[in-house]
Amino acid sequence: QKEVEQDPGPLSVPEGAIVSLNCTYSNSAFQYFMWYRQYSRKGPELLMYTYSSGNKEDGRFTAQVDKSSKYISLFIRDSQPSDSATYLCAMKGAGNMLTFGGGTRLMVKP
Amino acid sequence: GAVVSQHPSWVICKSGTSVKIECRSLDFQATTMFWYRQFPKQSLMLMATSNEGSKATYEQGVEKDKFLINHASLTLSTLTVTSAHPEDSSFYICSATGGRGNYGYTFGSGTRLTVV
Repeated sequence: QKEVEQDPGPLSVPEGAIVSLNCTYSNSAFQYFMWYRQYSRKGPELLMYTYSSGNKEDGRFTAQVDKSSKYISLFIRDSQPSDSATYLCAMKGAGNMLTFGGGTRLMVKP
Repeated sequence: GAVVSQHPSWVICKSGTSVKIECRSLDFQATTMFWYRQFPKQSLMLMATSNEGSKATYEQGVEKDKFLINHASLTLSTLTVTSAHPEDSSFYICSATGGRGNYGYTFGSGTRLTVV
């Protein structure tokens, strides 16, 4: 079993839809949680990071962490075609190393 | 915000030659840099972690003599793929963090290496 599980998709939604992306993890030592967006042939771009259970909002993005269930989510409101990319969840414990999910490919259709 | 510059963005080389990829943190001191490899439609695979001024720590299965990593300063790390072979063709990405207190890891834009 992988430490971090993420549905690979692809997830196809119409423009304007609310998108929900999720990851589950098994390592209770993970304390910090991040979401990255990666466009094709580009490096990942940090969207959100959180370190406590609950919600964190930034514009159209909301990151949600439920440590008791070992479950994190990223919500995208009013999705745009430019949001089409691969979304990677990542997490870390006390050390420096990030553990990534496999990524979910999102396609937002005009 | 934190910016990491990686170059070249793409390179084609002949089998048996070596290729150097540079990763620079432009506006912060990167105490730790990471090198990843990514195959098409797959997630990032950590190759090694390097701290400034010390030897890199390689992940299991990564040949340290083939993938030479140097982190000589707080703003520059290099990955040299030595004696490249077609199976080394991949997308290589670096990441840097300022360490304590900085939970954000900034990634470079990646280097697409094709070995012919």
